[in-house]
Amino acid sequence: KAGVTQTPRYLIKTRGQQVTLSCSPISGHRSVSWYQQTPGQGLQFLFEYFSETQRNKGNFPGRFSGRQFSNSRSEMNVSTLELGDSALYLCASSLWFQKQETQYFGPGTRLLVL
Amino acid sequence: AQKITQTQPGMFVQEKEAVTLDCTYDTSDPSYGLFWYKQPSSGEMIFLIYQGSYDQQNATEGRYSLNFQKARKSANLVISASQLGDSAMYFCAMREPSMDSSYKLIFGSGTRLLVRP
Repeated sequence: KAGVTQTPRYLIKTRGQQVTLSCSPISGHRSVSWYQQTPGQGLQFLFEYFSETQRNKGNFPGRFSGRQFSNSRSEMNVSTLELGDSALYLCASSLWFQKQETQYFGPGTRLLVL
Repeated sequence: AQKITQTQPGMFVQEKEAVTLDCTYDTSDPSYGLFWYKQPSSGEMIFLIYQGSYDQQNATEGRYSLNFQKARKSANLVISASQLGDSAMYFCAMREPSMDSSYKLIFGSGTRLLVRP
């Protein structure tokens, strides 16, 4: 079974631009979460989608948004990029909503904002 | 609020020896799950092991085992017979409880493990 895939793997943007990252979950997984990882802040939760609905959102400005499609694929968008948005963005998927269910992560998208 | 603490920023271990990575947590929820992930330099988070708060036995997965001490709120990862490929960042995480079953992991700051040949 294929794992979580993320595209693109690397991205370079300039301040003020916007970016869209894509995530395809493991087949059958309906929950998709996004995390931002930076050296200073560590791993921080961005948002989680289930059946095309955002169920949870982290403490990030409105420039960060996401969506989920009917096939469970998800995208996140960052508008008006800032230097501090440079980070590794990780997507994770899980099968069900039970507490024991494990989240499986993709390889991440490394975003560099110049 | 839930919190995960990893107090060892970096550790060394000799190849073939065992190593323990520390993790303490704080939660008021009686039902919770704890996870350990490995992150190599490539960036991908690799799931290693899970421990549920009601599990009677400590979790084991191959060379990985979890030393779960509920009263102390600690969930230390033990790696036996370390291999060079074990060199990576290791994160302890807890799933934050929610009313709508939404999925959110809270991570510790991580421990960088370096295995010496």
